[in-house]
Amino acid sequence: AQKVTQAQTEISVVEKEDVTLDCVYETRDTTYYLFWYKQPPSGELVFLIRRNSFDEQNEISGRYSWNFQKSTSSFNFTITASQVVDSAVYFCALRANRDDKIIFGKGTRLHILP
Amino acid sequence: KAGVTQTPRYLIKTRGQQVTLSCSPISGHRSVSWYQQTPGQGLQFLFEYFSETQRNKGNFPGRFSGRQFSNSRSEMNVSTLELGDSALYLCASSPPGNTEAFFGQGTRLTVV
Repeated sequence: AQKVTQAQTEISVVEKEDVTLDCVYETRDTTYYLFWYKQPPSGELVFLIRRNSFDEQNEISGRYSWNFQKSTSSFNFTITASQVVDSAVYFCALRANRDDKIIFGKGTRLHILP
Repeated sequence: KAGVTQTPRYLIKTRGQQVTLSCSPISGHRSVSWYQQTPGQGLQFLFEYFSETQRNKGNFPGRFSGRQFSNSRSEMNVSTLELGDSALYLCASSPPGNTEAFFGQGTRLTVV
């Protein structure tokens, strides 16, 4: 069975601090895909990144970076020099193969305090 | 390129009624998925359609149904509404060969 766990329900940090959102996943498939989405108050889920199981390279996009470690089944997301606009709910998600559904973690609500 | 469009954005219905939600995917996307989001259960998968065929189905009662048309637009229907059906319903589409899904802004359904 597939499962995504985001243990941090809510995090508050002061603006300009770095913050890491944790994600642990479970799957028996050898090919799978991991995602992070951002949900601002407007409600729309905004796609941030996809990682394939066969590509463990970490990725950096501006202030965002992602650390994928198959050995610990983790796919963590770090925001550097956080800004108030980063306040949102962030979801980690897993798709076991191309034709399967995407399952989501419960989300982490991130508050960036000015 | 226009994003995923969901209509209506807000709905208020009475228990026992039925409702139809609409989703227009991004042009060229043939896969459409539906999710229900509630504070207690989080994001739960309802069903996915690909080329007018249901490809995956979540664990929801038969009151929840969907369909996809030849232009890839999709509708979901909930019959005999219950208070617990109050939720944000999100639709997502995926491009051919890609695994990520792109979401619309959702339809917020309130059942009173």
